Amino acid sequence: EAQVTQNPRYLITVTGKKLTVTCSQNMNHEYMSWYRQDPGLGLRQIYYSMNVEVTDKGDVPEGYKVSRKEKRNFPLILESPSPNQTSLYFCASRPRQLSFSSQHFGDGTRLSIL
Amino acid sequence: AQTVTQSQPEMSVQEAETVTLSCTYDTSENNYYLFWYKQPPSRQMILVIRQEAYKQQNATENRFSVNFQKAAKSFSLKISDSQLGDTAMYFCAFNPQGGSEKLVFGKGMKLTVNP
Repeated sequence: EAQVTQNPRYLITVTGKKLTVTCSQNMNHEYMSWYRQDPGLGLRQIYYSMNVEVTDKGDVPEGYKVSRKEKRNFPLILESPSPNQTSLYFCASRPRQLSFSSQHFGDGTRLSIL
Repeated sequence: AQTVTQSQPEMSVQEAETVTLSCTYDTSENNYYLFWYKQPPSRQMILVIRQEAYKQQNATENRFSVNFQKAAKSFSLKISDSQLGDTAMYFCAFNPQGGSEKLVFGKGMKLTVNP
C-alpha cells in the first residue's frame, strides 16, 4: 500500500529535550515536505526536499532541522524544543514528474512541548 | 510574498444543500496551481480539487466545482448536494510554478453539514 508513515503519532515531552519525528514513504518520491498546523493559522511549510541531499527552507524553518540521506526518509529534528513548537505536524511526498495533485500526506504527529 | 485568504472561519449548511467556500490569493505570478484540501476529524489531508491558472475552464470533481476568477484572484469551492461526510476543515492552497516546491495554505474554514 502506498503511504507516508510518520512516527510517533503523539508525543509529550519537555523543553530542551532533543526529539526526532520520522517520515518514510514507500513510493520512491523525489519531493518531500514538512508542515505544521496550528489553529487559526492553517498549514505552514517548514522545510522541503527535492531529492537526496537537497533541502530548502519553507516559511517557518526556525528551530527545526531536516536531513535527506535516503530517498525514502525525511526526518524532522527539533534540537531544543520549546513550547511554541507544540503543534500538529504533517509530512508529505510527491513524485517529481507530476504536479501537486499527487501529493500524499502522512497521518500527522501531535507534539506537545511542556 | 504570496498569501492565501479564507475570510469565513466557519459555515454550516443543511444536508443536500449547496454551499460555497471563498478563497482569495495574492501573487504576482502568472502561472500557478490552486488547490482545495479537506481535513475531516480524522485529520487526514485529502485533496478535493485543483486548478491550473493557465486553464480558463473551471475544474469539477463530482459534487465539487470551483469558480476560478484569475483577474480577481479568487478561487471559490462549490459543494453541491452536501453530505454529512463533507463535514471537515477546508483549506485553500497556492503553489507557484517554475519548479517551486512551496505550498502556501489559507487559515482554513470549518464546514458543518447538518442532518
